[in-house]
Amino acid sequence: GAVVSQHPSWVICKSGTSVKIECRSLDFQATTMFWYRQFPKQSLMLMATSNEGSKATYEQGVEKDKFLINHASLTLSTLTVTSAHPEDSSFYICSARESLAGVGEQFFGPGTRLTVL
Amino acid sequence: AQTVTQSQPEMSVQEAETVTLSCTYDTSESDYYLFWYKQPPSRQMILVIRQEAYKQQNATENRFSVNFQKAAKSFSLKISDSQLGDAAMYFCAYRRDEGSNYQLIWGAGTKLIIKP
Repeated sequence: GAVVSQHPSWVICKSGTSVKIECRSLDFQATTMFWYRQFPKQSLMLMATSNEGSKATYEQGVEKDKFLINHASLTLSTLTVTSAHPEDSSFYICSARESLAGVGEQFFGPGTRLTVL
Repeated sequence: AQTVTQSQPEMSVQEAETVTLSCTYDTSESDYYLFWYKQPPSRQMILVIRQEAYKQQNATENRFSVNFQKAAKSFSLKISDSQLGDAAMYFCAYRRDEGSNYQLIWGAGTKLIIKP
């Protein structure tokens, strides 16, 4: 089956620093990738939709200058949390849509736990 | 706008028994997809089962089956012969047939507890 990886799986950083999270589709090409944020015991909250070669589309209330998304290739999207603060601590999940599949099923990465001190 | 509702925050079932998780949704579309995802303690999202709205037959995957009632906009998940490994959060999700960049609309989730 299609595999999506995320790196790092866990990161701790100091307040004010920037953190980059990578999302890779390992065995398929993904024209669209999605970034989610998940708070404890809650559902997934879509942050942005990223299409290869174009600017990401951010959901209402998500600061595009704080959460920078780059989808430079069909297998890689990155989320950079700039000037991180403790309230940015969360679990971040990416997913990738297999471009050739009719259903356009999303495959999920294992997530990245971000802790900002 | 489409919405997905899971009214059971938590369910528990005895091992080897059957449990049904509820999901309702609201949409004006006629063609769409419905999904059940499982998120175990590892937090890796795993697709359990998928239903295409145009198909009248309910989807089944081994011990997992759905009861899809299109007119009632209901999409419940039945887990037969529950196993300890089924313990997880279960999320119901909706997706339009096309457009909207294939975004998923998520329910709030149901925590499933398996009693040994």
